[in-house]
Amino acid sequence: EPEVTQTPSHQVTQMGQEVILRCVPISNHLYFYWYRQILGQKVEFLVSFYNNEISEKSEIFDDQFSVERPDGSNFTLKIRSTKLEDSAMYFCASSRDSTTSAYEQYFGPGTRLTVT
Amino acid sequence: GESVGLHLPTLSVQEGDNSIINCAYSNSASDYFIWYKQESGKGPQFIIDIRSNMDKRQGQRVTVLLNKTVKHLSLQIAATQPGDSAVYFCAEREGGSEKLVFGKGTKLTVNP
Repeated sequence: EPEVTQTPSHQVTQMGQEVILRCVPISNHLYFYWYRQILGQKVEFLVSFYNNEISEKSEIFDDQFSVERPDGSNFTLKIRSTKLEDSAMYFCASSRDSTTSAYEQYFGPGTRLTVT
Repeated sequence: GESVGLHLPTLSVQEGDNSIINCAYSNSASDYFIWYKQESGKGPQFIIDIRSNMDKRQGQRVTVLLNKTVKHLSLQIAATQPGDSAVYFCAEREGGSEKLVFGKGTKLTVNP
């Protein structure tokens, strides 16, 4: 069964450093998403991406964040200058469509980001 | 504002019993709802979904009920098994939006 994969599984970085989290969505999916989950809290939406551009983003997704689909398979989240409060589990998700019957978002296993 | 919440943070059941996990939502513009299961150290796993034009949807051992009048969603798991132990999240999507708004989660523990 196809699945979303993410690398690395755990990333430790120092405050102020840039990090890139990587995801490989399911191959025939067209919509891609990033969510984050701070320990013990809800899963929160960050951004959705379709047709090589951001289609929706939350207030969390400020100028420090960017997303890119550098090739036909990878989808990345970059945090330009990490802050302590960026420590969280970051989940990538993908869906075949965003309407009607193909909306299910399938999540990857997550990357745990620890900012020290 | 939009929010999704859960009535009970933890639920403990005996193996073989039926489980019911509840969820309240406040956004009347939401048209799509999903239940996810999250095991420790893993990402949310899709269980079942329901659109706002339906009241009930059944899957394998799971049933989702939607009551739009009181903005309530529930997940019923039949013959609960130890492998069902996890945190269960409901999530909603507002019509025209792509983002899912998640609830806090209910931790289900199945006792042998």
